[in-house]
Amino acid sequence: EVQLLESGGGLVQTGGSLRLSCAASGFIFSNHAMSWVRRAPGKGLEWVSAITASGDGTYYADSVKGRFTISRDNSKNTLYLQVNSLRDEDTAVYFCAKKYKYVHPAFDCWGQGTVVTVSS
Amino acid sequence: EIVLTQSPDTLSLSPGERATLSCRASQSVSSSYLAWYQQKLGQAPRLLIYGASNRATGIPDRFSGSGSGTDFTLTISRLETEDFAVYYCQQYGSTPLYTFGQGTKLEIK
Repeated sequence: EVQLLESGGGLVQTGGSLRLSCAASGFIFSNHAMSWVRRAPGKGLEWVSAITASGDGTYYADSVKGRFTISRDNSKNTLYLQVNSLRDEDTAVYFCAKKYKYVHPAFDCWGQGTVVTVSS
Repeated sequence: EIVLTQSPDTLSLSPGERATLSCRASQSVSSSYLAWYQQKLGQAPRLLIYGASNRATGIPDRFSGSGSGTDFTLTISRLETEDFAVYYCQQYGSTPLYTFGQGTKLEIK
């Protein structure tokens, strides 16, 4: 069974940092690009960042560029998101998601999410 | 940046009725790159449709997707109580890599 399990969320002060993790199982992790998506309270889904299967390409939404860093360790089947310089508007549930395939780049598997709360 | 606009924002229907949800793109989107998701309160999103019209694994055949270019539609032929949720369309593009519509809330009338 394909599974994604996020961890690392919590309550952090404005300007603080966290490292989110996403442990993958049930599929060949190194064969799939991965993304982080968030949903802020009362708002819709927002794509945050993506990384290629090998880790040699990374992509970011403008709202997090320069503050967030995505990475992966294929030997540990784990995806990461380092979140720095946190702002109130970064408060959200953060989901990791698996890219289905090259020709259909939808997200076919999602974790249950980890909550990040930024408070001054 | 391609903007996706979903309509309506809220759709009130009864079980057994047909639901039609719209997703309009500000520029043409490749059908291969258009997907629909369902999200229930407190749960992760679930992929329903990929490539504009292909049902994901395990998705009942009452869900169908159609459209091309800038206009896409998700249809639920006969609503069941478990279908009441928020629905998002999504496209894959250049910058940003992915965008979502603002969502349509499907609620019980």
